[in-house]
Amino acid sequence: AQSVTQLDSQVPVFEEAPVELRCNYSSSVSVYLFWYVQYPNQGLQLLLKYLSGSTLVKGINGFEAEFNKSQTSFHLRKPSVHISDTAEYFCAVTSRDYGQNFVFGPGTRLSVLP
Amino acid sequence: SQTIHQWPATLVQPVGSPLSLECTVEGTSNPNLYWYRQAAGRGLQLLFYSVGIGQISSEVPQNLSASRPQDRQFILSSKKLLLSDSGFYLCASGQGSNSPLHFGNGTRLTVT
Repeated sequence: AQSVTQLDSQVPVFEEAPVELRCNYSSSVSVYLFWYVQYPNQGLQLLLKYLSGSTLVKGINGFEAEFNKSQTSFHLRKPSVHISDTAEYFCAVTSRDYGQNFVFGPGTRLSVLP
Repeated sequence: SQTIHQWPATLVQPVGSPLSLECTVEGTSNPNLYWYRQAAGRGLQLLFYSVGIGQISSEVPQNLSASRPQDRQFILSSKKLLLSDSGFYLCASGQGSNSPLHFGNGTRLTVT
């Protein structure tokens, strides 16, 4: 079965510092990858997606992610974070071979400190 | 673009009472619809998904059920709530595996 690992449950970082949130998935088939952000008591909002093509994907709010097929990773990065980036971040994977099922990672809580 | 409406935003229900959460979608037709549950500080657990009217797939056996009476309406129900049903319930809509899911703002359910 497909699974998604987000090794860091919590990531504290100071404002204006760079950040990387890690995501690894288990699959040997062609996959589609997504990063979502969730602010308190709200639904999930799409940050970016990888479907095909360039392995470096740019999203909203200055975030980007790089797809690495050999390492089955899709790490999320931002060169300089703001207080407003404090939120929960979820990596998700799906595939044409898995029907309509989106598999989400357990999430990473990003806390941006002043 | 798609808009997912969920209501109510918060709900407090006693153990053993029934439940009905409704989700409606605007801005798309024939979507795939999903119910997820998020326990406090945890990830998302897929409960049900539907690829069309009357077509429901259950991912986790439990005392919850789902129905899709109309193309853009998805309902989550229970006849008798348990304490373990407390959580944050999210409805989502999608158009296939290569299309991102769009989420509603969720319903926070507390069973007392």
